[in-house]
Amino acid sequence: AQSVTQPDIHITVSEGASLELRCNYSYGATPYLFWYVQSPGQGLQLLLKYFSGDTLVQGIKGFEAEFKRSQSSFNLRKPSVHWSDAAEYFCAYTGNQFYFGTGTSLTVIP
Amino acid sequence: NAGVTQTPKFRILKIGQSMTLQCAQDMNHNYMYWYRQDPGMGLKLIYYSVGAGITDKGEVPNGYNVSRSTTEDFPLRLELAAPSQTSVYFCASSYSVSNTGELFFGEGSRLTVL
Repeated sequence: AQSVTQPDIHITVSEGASLELRCNYSYGATPYLFWYVQSPGQGLQLLLKYFSGDTLVQGIKGFEAEFKRSQSSFNLRKPSVHWSDAAEYFCAYTGNQFYFGTGTSLTVIP
Repeated sequence: NAGVTQTPKFRILKIGQSMTLQCAQDMNHNYMYWYRQDPGMGLKLIYYSVGAGITDKGEVPNGYNVSRSTTEDFPLRLELAAPSQTSVYFCASSYSVSNTGELFFGEGSRLTVL
């Protein structure tokens, strides 16, 4: 069955530290992959997306993600986390529809 | 440019009551979606529409109904509210699934059924 998995329910990092959020997908073909961010009380906002081509994609707010076909992964990274990055992060892919992971909650310690 | 607008933002219902969550978008998007978000469960697709007059079920359609009479509007109807429908509901739209693929979300409607 098609699915996307975010293994980490909650992650805590110190401000200024690096960040990596994991995402694995299960899909027969190469899907379109996305990362969304949700701030408290808000809707979801697109951070970045991968359709084809360069496997390292850049997004807004200094985030990037790398598509690795061999590992069926699309991990989100940021070199230096800011306190304002505290939010819920969702990985998603489209086959015939959008499918979302269960999310990873990020806490940033000052 | 308003994007995707949802109303109401908050609502409390009694068991068995009915209500409609409104959703409107001004981006001329063909695709519209309703999701529900429950803690630790991510977003689950309730219904979606690929254009005016066309709707289809998602993963969790039971207890809900939708209509799409215009490109702009995609209301979600709860006929007999149940406690299991307590959730945060998000409406979203996109130009298409396979084109840009980006979903634009409303700010959500928090529904409590008591």
